[in-house]
Amino acid sequence: GNSVTQMEGPVTLSEEAFLTINCTYTATGYPSLFWYVQYPGEGLQLLLKATKADDKGSNKGFEATYRKETTSFHLEKGSVQVSDSAVYFCALSKGGGADGLTFGKGTHLIIQP
Amino acid sequence: SAVISQKPSRDICQRGTSLTIQCQVDSQVTMMFWYRQQPGQSLTLIATANQGSEATYESGFVIDKFPISRPNLTFSTLTVSNMSPEDSSIYLCSVGWRGYEQYFGPGTRLTVT
Repeated sequence: GNSVTQMEGPVTLSEEAFLTINCTYTATGYPSLFWYVQYPGEGLQLLLKATKADDKGSNKGFEATYRKETTSFHLEKGSVQVSDSAVYFCALSKGGGADGLTFGKGTHLIIQP
Repeated sequence: SAVISQKPSRDICQRGTSLTIQCQVDSQVTMMFWYRQQPGQSLTLIATANQGSEATYESGFVIDKFPISRPNLTFSTLTVSNMSPEDSSIYLCSVGWRGYEQYFGPGTRLTVT
C-alpha cells in the first residue's frame, strides 16, 4: 500500500536559517504529492503540491520538487521566520483530489528568534 | 478554494453514546472525505463520501461504527457510534477541489469520558 515517511521532529532552527524537511514515499503508479501545514491553534492548510515527476510546487517561499527517481518530495525554504513555526505534513494521493490522502506523521518545526 | 465548516467544533461525550458531526461546504463538490487525527498523531482516512452512493471505508473502519451520510453536494455527516475513550480524536472533513487539491475543515475535537 501507499506510505509516506518524513523526518521526525521537533526540528528547531534559528530565524533566517535554511530549512529542509525530508519526505519519501511508497506508492504504485504516479501519485500526486502535497505539503500541508498546521499552525498552532489553526486548521490544516494546503501549502503546495506537485502532480507529476519533476514538478516543483512553491508557496510562501517554500519549495518542493517531485523526484520520482528517489521517490522524494523534500520541503525547503531559504530563510525561515518565527511565523513558520508549525507542524508540516507530507501527503500523497493516487488520484489527486479525487482520492483520499495518505499522510506522513508530521514534523514539528520550531523557529527561534 | 472551498470554505468548509464543521459542527460542533468540540464536544465531551460519555462512553456508549453517539455523536454526529456535520460538514458544510460553500460550493458543490463531488468528493468529500472524513479523517481522524488521534492525539499527537497524523491524519488517517476513515472513508470517502460521494453524493448518491454509499461511503467507501478504509481498512479498520466500518459502517456500523462510523455511519456517513451524503445527502447533497454541499453537506455530509459522520456519526461516531457507541463511543469509547479510544475514539477521542479530532475528526476532519475535506473536499476534493479542481481534481488535484483537497481542503480541510477546522475539525471537531471529541473527548470521550
